[in-house]
Amino acid sequence: AQSVSQHNHHVILSEAASLELGCNYSYGGTVNLFWYVQYPGQHLQLLLKYFSGDPLVKGIKGFEAEFIKSKFSFNLRKPSVQWSDTAEYFCAVITGGGNKLTFGTGTQLKVEL
Amino acid sequence: DARVTQTPRHKVTEMGQEVTMRCQPILGHNTVFWYRQTMMQGLELLAYFRNRAPLDDSGMPKDRFSAEMPDATLATLKIQPSEPRDSAVYFCASGRTSVPFFGPGTRLTVL
Repeated sequence: AQSVSQHNHHVILSEAASLELGCNYSYGGTVNLFWYVQYPGQHLQLLLKYFSGDPLVKGIKGFEAEFIKSKFSFNLRKPSVQWSDTAEYFCAVITGGGNKLTFGTGTQLKVEL
Repeated sequence: DARVTQTPRHKVTEMGQEVTMRCQPILGHNTVFWYRQTMMQGLELLAYFRNRAPLDDSGMPKDRFSAEMPDATLATLKIQPSEPRDSAVYFCASGRTSVPFFGPGTRLTVL
């Protein structure tokens, strides 16, 4: 069965610092990849997705992610974080052209002023 | 601005009581998911439907949980009897392509 690993469980950054959150998946076939964000007390919102094409994907709020097939990775990046980026970030994958979304365990990001 | 709606948003109940959570998917979406979120387990897929037919409910404890879609505009998740370990946030999500959109969740507390 497919799985998703997020190695950083808690990340603390100062405003304006650069962000990179790791995500690795285990599946050898076709994948659709997602990053969702969950602000405190709110539901999950889609940040960005990768289905095919350019492996560098740009999402909302200045986030981007790069799909590296050889590394089975889909890391999330942002050049300069803001206090309002404090949230939990989830990587997720759909495999084999299906609909079942499998989530990673999430990374709690805290941005300090 | 189409959204997935869920009711109730919060539910506190006592152990042994029946709990029913409702979800209205976005109009035109043919896939509906139920997820449970806890601190310990993270986000777990409980069940999902396509065109109202259950495709996978392997993540759901069958003895006490049941999920149905009586029609295209309503999905329900029922727990009977509820237990304290069922305390969690239950999210419904719907999709038409492979991009699920999540509802606000139902925060369930079982005392």
